[in-house]
Amino acid sequence: DAKTTQPNSMESNEEEPVHLPCNHSTISGTDYIHWYRQLPSQGPEYVIHGLTSNVNNRMASLAIAEDRKSSTLILHRATLRDAAVYYCIPYNYGQNFVFGPGTRLSVLP
Amino acid sequence: DTEVTQTPKHLVMGMTNKKSLKCEQHMGHRAMYWYKQKAKKPPELMFVYSYEKLSINESVPSRFSPECPNSSLLNLHLHALQPEDSALYLCASSQDLRTNTEAFFGQGTRLTVV
Repeated sequence: DAKTTQPNSMESNEEEPVHLPCNHSTISGTDYIHWYRQLPSQGPEYVIHGLTSNVNNRMASLAIAEDRKSSTLILHRATLRDAAVYYCIPYNYGQNFVFGPGTRLSVLP
Repeated sequence: DTEVTQTPKHLVMGMTNKKSLKCEQHMGHRAMYWYKQKAKKPPELMFVYSYEKLSINESVPSRFSPECPNSSLLNLHLHALQPEDSALYLCASSQDLRTNTEAFFGQGTRLTVV
């Protein structure tokens, strides 16, 4: 399983964009990059995943570096509901969803 | 229906009790997982089932016994637990271990061992 490095914590103001970085320098060429988040007192929730190209969905955007050694989850307008722990997980079929420590995002009103 | 349902939501049990946690999904997923999460820590993988067969056991003590009676249901049988086993137990499912699709998690069972 590829190792990941994320900041322990980040802060954002409400309605501003948030860029959550993740380093995954040991990722293999076929690993997808998954992002999950865990709101307080809830189970983890899928956010987005991608392989090489940047990806967008209704929740967020995922920017993947050209060398794939890092990625950035972008929340375009943070809301109070986005306060959570965000995990990036390199994943390929046959592997497991292994969680690192993640980034605790605080959103200030 | 994109839900993974776990019951009960909360459970308090004594060290000599036997109890079971239940997890159910109706998305047709063939991979199911149990995770354990201590406070302020990330989830830790315990077991993985693929097509109702145990695929991975992450060196979990035998006082935790998983069971997958059918493709929709996953149980975790608990016996002679210790207070340090108190944690949030999360169930998850994904389409198949052979695909790169996302996992869906339940809300967890908060277990307290007294």
